[in-house]
Amino acid sequence: QKEVEQNSGPLSVPEGAIASLNCTYSDRGSQSFFWYRQYSGKSPELIMSIYSNGDKEDGRFTAQLNKASQYVSLLIRDSQPSDSATYLCAVNQAGTALIFGKGTTLSVSS
Amino acid sequence: DGGITQSPKYLFRKEGQNVTLSCEQNLNHDAMYWYRQDPGQGLRLIYYSQIVNDFQKGDIAEGYSVSREKKESFPLTVTSAQKNPTAFYLCASRLGETQYFGPGTRLLVL
Repeated sequence: QKEVEQNSGPLSVPEGAIASLNCTYSDRGSQSFFWYRQYSGKSPELIMSIYSNGDKEDGRFTAQLNKASQYVSLLIRDSQPSDSATYLCAVNQAGTALIFGKGTTLSVSS
Repeated sequence: DGGITQSPKYLFRKEGQNVTLSCEQNLNHDAMYWYRQDPGQGLRLIYYSQIVNDFQKGDIAEGYSVSREKKESFPLTVTSAQKNPTAFYLCASRLGETQYFGPGTRLLVL
């Protein structure tokens, strides 16, 4: 059974701090990795994708991938209250559906 | 506007009734997916289709059926055999390795 594991949280950080979200996956054949943000009652929206080892930065967001450790993370710099949401990690093998973790709830306090 | 639409936003099902959830996309994506999300849970795959007139069962297909007669449309029927249908249903389409989600349909049982 292919699995994606996330700490459910809640992860609480003060405004302006760095939030660090982590995810591990079981299938070494996984090739694509995604972070989605989901506000309460809404559908997931893509915020980052990463395909190769290392870091990928987009604005305040940095995704980090380590395939040897089967680990992917998301860093949010200068966290804002509007970043408060559930963050879903998803993993894909080529041509198949995504496998999702259960999500980590982030709360940013002002 | 390009995107994925789902209707209705809320749907109520009576015992023993079949109901159909609509999913339409004008993004010209080949692959489409249906997921189910229960409170505090990640997304679980119900069915997916990579091309017109072809679809495959996901992890939790029992009690559900789909059709893919047109590239733009991938309706999901929740049959009376699905004994616990209350959930948030999400449709997605895929470009490359990335999936994009519609706004979702919340199904409730009367």
